[in-house]
Amino acid sequence: AQTVTQSQPEMSVQEAETVTLSCTYDTSENNYYLFWYKQPPSRQMILVIRQEAYKQQNATENRFSVNFQKAAKSFSLKISDSQLGDTAMYFCAFMRAGTASKLTFGTGTRLQVTL
Amino acid sequence: DTGVSQDPRHKITKRGQNVTFRCDPISEHNRLYWYRQTLGQGPEFLTYFQNEAQLEKSRLLSDRFSAERPKGSFSTLEIQRTEQGDSAMYLCASSWTGGAWTEAFFGQGTRLTVV
Repeated sequence: AQTVTQSQPEMSVQEAETVTLSCTYDTSENNYYLFWYKQPPSRQMILVIRQEAYKQQNATENRFSVNFQKAAKSFSLKISDSQLGDTAMYFCAFMRAGTASKLTFGTGTRLQVTL
Repeated sequence: DTGVSQDPRHKITKRGQNVTFRCDPISEHNRLYWYRQTLGQGPEFLTYFQNEAQLEKSRLLSDRFSAERPKGSFSTLEIQRTEQGDSAMYLCASSWTGGAWTEAFFGQGTRLTVV
């Protein structure tokens, strides 16, 4: 079984600053995907970024990038130039390849972006 | 198509009553998932369908829970004899089968409160 751990229940960052959210996971699988999802208040969860485990290059999507350390089983999310609209719960998630997109989530980090 | 739709958004019920939730996936998506999210936790997988076939059920899905997806379109999740521990957000997601990975799109969820 896979586990995903997010050790930061809450984080705060000022607008335009950079923040890093941490995630570690445990698995015996070699082929898998990792994701960061954003869940704004009262809105649906949306995918922020994904990383294929077989790729060494870290994924980047505009202001969002990850630091994927496969050996350490670490997958952190960096948000650059934080915006008020980034305020949300952020969930790290794991998916074993070939499992029909079934996701295992961490407990989430509540990010507050302040003026 | 405006995305995954869930109905109702909120449901308050008395302990022991039965409740039913509906999920309408994105129309071309053949996979549909149900997750449960309790306060302070990440979503937990309950079950998923490919077309009308229910292919996997989590151990979290007790005998009081049943899900259907007639004709491979919308899905319903029924909880019989509700208990206070059933209070949670119930999330639906859908995706398309194809390639090594496809993105799962989430609905806004149904928040159940059992009093």
